[in-house]
Amino acid sequence: EAGVAQSPRYKIIEKRQSVAFWCNPISGHATLYWYQQILGQGPKLLIQFQNNGVVDDSQLPKDRFSAERLKGVDSTLKIQPAKLEDSAVYLCASRFASGNTIYFGEGSWLTVV
Amino acid sequence: SQQGEEDPQALSIQEGENATMNCSYKTSINNLQWYRQNSGRGLVHLILIRSNEREKHSGRLRVTLDTSKKSSSLLITASRAADTASYFCATGEKEGAQKLVFGQGTRLTINP
Repeated sequence: EAGVAQSPRYKIIEKRQSVAFWCNPISGHATLYWYQQILGQGPKLLIQFQNNGVVDDSQLPKDRFSAERLKGVDSTLKIQPAKLEDSAVYLCASRFASGNTIYFGEGSWLTVV
Repeated sequence: SQQGEEDPQALSIQEGENATMNCSYKTSINNLQWYRQNSGRGLVHLILIRSNEREKHSGRLRVTLDTSKKSSSLLITASRAADTASYFCATGEKEGAQKLVFGQGTRLTINP
């Protein structure tokens, strides 16, 4: 079974530039998450989708971060404009609608310089 | 905000010894899960324990849950070098339709 796919794996940008990350969840998983993990810390939930609807985006910095899951499958997370403190790993994860276990991708590493 | 807090933040032991990590949380939960993260990789689910369970085993892993103290522990027996990783606890508030809130993690190093 294919896992959660993310791209790109690594990205270096200058502050004030924009970046987009893409995620393809496990087939059939209705729930999709984007987590931000700063070095040395645990993952922090940015946004949770159920199919193509947003369930929770309370910790998403909406002035610069946006995410969409238009067809209820793939998702894109965008940061514009990026700040130095956005340097982190962005983890996409998915889950069956009624399940408890979350499956993570390998992450997209962002460095803002 | 972080829900769980792991203790210790870092643990270094010799191969073959047992490793114990603790997690404390603040609000009521439906379940608590433990995940492992190897350096530079994503998180991998290890074990889930529900709020009505007190202990659960999976291979060399043993998890306990004390809802009265809002705490959990993860025991890895007969540790191996491959167990070197960060371990995170995560709490789920609802069955099935939940978001997981992760702690800060324990960095475990197994010395050969």
